[in-house]
Amino acid sequence: DTAVSQTPKYLVTQMGNDKSIKCEQNLGHDTMYWYKQDSKKFLKIMFSYNNKELIINETVPNRFSPKSPDKAHLNLHINSLELGDSAVYFCASSQENTNEQYFGPGTRLTVT
Amino acid sequence: QKEVEQNSGPLSVPEGAIASLNCTYSDRGSQSFFWYRQYSGKSPELIMFIYSNGDKEDGRFTAQLNKASQYVSLLIRDSQPSDSATYLCAVNRNDYKLSFGAGTTVTVRA
Repeated sequence: DTAVSQTPKYLVTQMGNDKSIKCEQNLGHDTMYWYKQDSKKFLKIMFSYNNKELIINETVPNRFSPKSPDKAHLNLHINSLELGDSAVYFCASSQENTNEQYFGPGTRLTVT
Repeated sequence: QKEVEQNSGPLSVPEGAIASLNCTYSDRGSQSFFWYRQYSGKSPELIMFIYSNGDKEDGRFTAQLNKASQYVSLLIRDSQPSDSATYLCAVNRNDYKLSFGAGTTVTVRA
């Protein structure tokens, strides 16, 4: 199946822990994104990589660090998790010359 | 002022009717406009995009764009219960960054 995939789908962890979320796309896209959707369902861009280079870095705590090992993968590492980090994190991808973004299934992060 | 504004709803329409969703944006430099559908507990799904003023039709969906008035709308004709979802408007300046509205929840009554 051609798609954007994320792992894990659910992540429950305690405050202070460090965790990672992985994203892969096999659509042949050049650009990948991380979004956060909070409890009010507002979807906000966090990071974007184009051909492994960081091109968008919104006002996000530096506890969040994205890493793109290649064009098809974009991972998100979060240090020292806080209660306010609880949200659904979506990965997305698009072809470089369009902004039609396609989303992965999301990772629901719960920090207790 | 929010970058992208939508009525939160819920918008309740009877089956077979037309659902009309509106979206306004603040940045006059915006170039690309998108509608996403998000079912509860699922990811946003791209259903329409429009780049030029006027109407764009795709099946039962029509997107309308008026850059002078800074609004974009989505019409869903012959609404079905399966159209019940939250519809997100997104706007872009051609700089990779999509700005999303908070979404309009649509309920189609059988």
